[in-house]
Amino acid sequence: DARVTQTPRHKVTEMGQEVTMRCQPILGHNTVFWYRQTMMQGLELLAYFRNRAPLDDSGMPKDRFSAEMPDATLATLKIQPSEPRDSAVYFCASGFPSMFSNGGYEQYFGPGTRLTVT
Amino acid sequence: EDQVTQSPEALRLQEGESSSLNCSYTVSGLRGLFWYRQDPGKGPEFLFTLYSAGEEKEKERLKATLTKKESFLHITAPKPEDSATYLCAVQARGFQKLVFGTGTRLLVSP
Repeated sequence: DARVTQTPRHKVTEMGQEVTMRCQPILGHNTVFWYRQTMMQGLELLAYFRNRAPLDDSGMPKDRFSAEMPDATLATLKIQPSEPRDSAVYFCASGFPSMFSNGGYEQYFGPGTRLTVT
Repeated sequence: EDQVTQSPEALRLQEGESSSLNCSYTVSGLRGLFWYRQDPGKGPEFLFTLYSAGEEKEKERLKATLTKKESFLHITAPKPEDSATYLCAVQARGFQKLVFGTGTRLLVSP
């Protein structure tokens, strides 16, 4: 049963510390997405990659967030320095073009990393 | 700007009481409309993709339909295990990203 995996599942850190979240996409999926979910904003797209190349990171605060995909099996999201307003659940999703339409991407989500910054 | 609005925000049903969730959208050329289910503490779980107006898809007690302005998720004879938040998202032509609504929290009581 292919799944997206994310580590760590929970992270508590102090303001100013660096946070690194990791994601292993489903094998064969060529697109990886990072989302953030909060009660107030819901699910927001931060960045996404296709074939490991960044396509859109307009949803990320550039001064503190960075996303990379060093290889096809690993995507990372870093926050440095972290702030209390970064507290949220961060989801990684991977996807592939649907066979059934004009290129629509079906996305499959990981379990998320719950980040708390104190 | 692409937008998705879901209603109601929360819905409480008795087991067996059928109902519908609404997803209204505006998008600059629809590539696909997606329904997800999210349980507490978990990631969204993919349910359906709809691509064109008039399309319908079914899975167990769920049926999704699509018009040019909205989608409905019909739940027939729901069971307590159907309790979850149901999320709707749209994907515009030329883009891979999804724009999500804020979801409908469904609670089905025995």
